[in-house]
Amino acid sequence: EVQLVESGGGLVQPGGSLRLSCAASGFTFSSYWMHWVRQAPGKGLVWVSRINNDGSSTSYADSVKGRFTISRDNAKNTLYLQMNSLGAEDTAVYYCTPTKYSSGWPFDYWGQGTLVTVSS
Amino acid sequence: EIVLTQSPGTLSLSPGERATLSCRASQSVSSSYLAWYQQKPGQAPRLLIYGASSRATGIPDRFSGSGSGTDFTLTISRLEPEDFAVYYCQQYGSSFTFGGGTKVEIK
Repeated sequence: EVQLVESGGGLVQPGGSLRLSCAASGFTFSSYWMHWVRQAPGKGLVWVSRINNDGSSTSYADSVKGRFTISRDNAKNTLYLQMNSLGAEDTAVYYCTPTKYSSGWPFDYWGQGTLVTVSS
Repeated sequence: EIVLTQSPGTLSLSPGERATLSCRASQSVSSSYLAWYQQKPGQAPRLLIYGASSRATGIPDRFSGSGSGTDFTLTISRLEPEDFAVYYCQQYGSSFTFGGGTKVEIK
């Protein structure tokens, strides 16, 4: 059974940093691209970032480029999202999700999400 | 970036009725890489339809998807109480973008 468990969310001040984790199990983590998707309170879903299976290729939404860094540790079956220079607009639930390819594959498994709140 | 526009924003229907949700893309979606998700309050999204018309594993056959190019539709043939939720379309052929969602509420 595929399981994705996000953690690391919480309350952070504007301008601060936070690192999210996503622990994966039930599939061959090292064979999958991994993505972060976020959802602001009461709003829709927004793709944030993706990383290829060995960590050598990454991409980001324009809204987070230069501030967020996605990474992974295949030995630990864990995905990360380092978030710096956080602003109120980054307040959201953050979900991780795997895909078999960089594109052309839907998000068929999701974690329960972790809430990030940026506020003073 | 492909922009997806969903309509209506809210659909008020009764159990047993048919729901028709629309998703329009700003440019053609390659290879019908169009998916539909259901989301209930406090839960993660759940994949319903991929490839515009293929049901995901375990999805009841009252859910069906259709369309190609720039116009796509999700149909729920007879609404069950558990179907009242928010539905999102997503294109996953050129990066990933989601529509703004359609809320299906009990009338």
